[in-house]
Amino acid sequence: KNQVEQSPQSLIILEGKNCTLQCNYTVSPFSNLRWYKQDTGRGPVSLTIMTFSENTKSNGRYTATLDADTKQSSLHITASQLSDSASYICVVSDRGSTLGRLYFGRGTQLTVWP
Amino acid sequence: EADIYQTPRYLVIGTGKKITLECSQTMGHDKMYWYQQDPGMELHLIHYSYGVNSTEKGDLSSESTVSRIRTEHFPLTLESARPSHTSQYLCASSVQSGHNSYEQYFGPGTRLTVT
Repeated sequence: KNQVEQSPQSLIILEGKNCTLQCNYTVSPFSNLRWYKQDTGRGPVSLTIMTFSENTKSNGRYTATLDADTKQSSLHITASQLSDSASYICVVSDRGSTLGRLYFGRGTQLTVWP
Repeated sequence: EADIYQTPRYLVIGTGKKITLECSQTMGHDKMYWYQQDPGMELHLIHYSYGVNSTEKGDLSSESTVSRIRTEHFPLTLESARPSHTSQYLCASSVQSGHNSYEQYFGPGTRLTVT
């Protein structure tokens, strides 16, 4: 069964600190993995996308890693800001779907305190 | 910022009412999707469309229906709303970004409350 598991479920950090969010997946055959940021009451917005051959990708203060062998990914946030408070969702797509089917994790709810 | 719009953003209605949630995109994308999301839970695909006159049910059973008469428009209808339909509904559209790889763009969502 294709699944995406994220940890921790929630996280509170102080402004300026770094943090790392984890994602494990069982989706097969693997196409790509995305990290989305979803602000409360809004739709998800893509942060990074990685294919099988990529093991790291950065977008400003966000750095995602991918280990396709162990089927694990992480999202590292550097020098957190109050605006980083949001849900971060790991999303995996499979290569066999012409629909562009996505498998979603439940997200990690990040709260940044001043 | 993706050009995909949803209205209304928030809706509170009574049980038994018929409602239509609107979704429009101006990017010319063929594939469109409706997701349902409860607080703290993952998004569940309830409907999708490959293009005009194409609609399919998703993974999560839903009493809602959809139509796709125009490329840019993908409305979702509930004939008789119930409290169990209370949820956030997200619309998305996608464009191919690689071999069998599609980038999905999400609308802002409609928060539906049925009393």
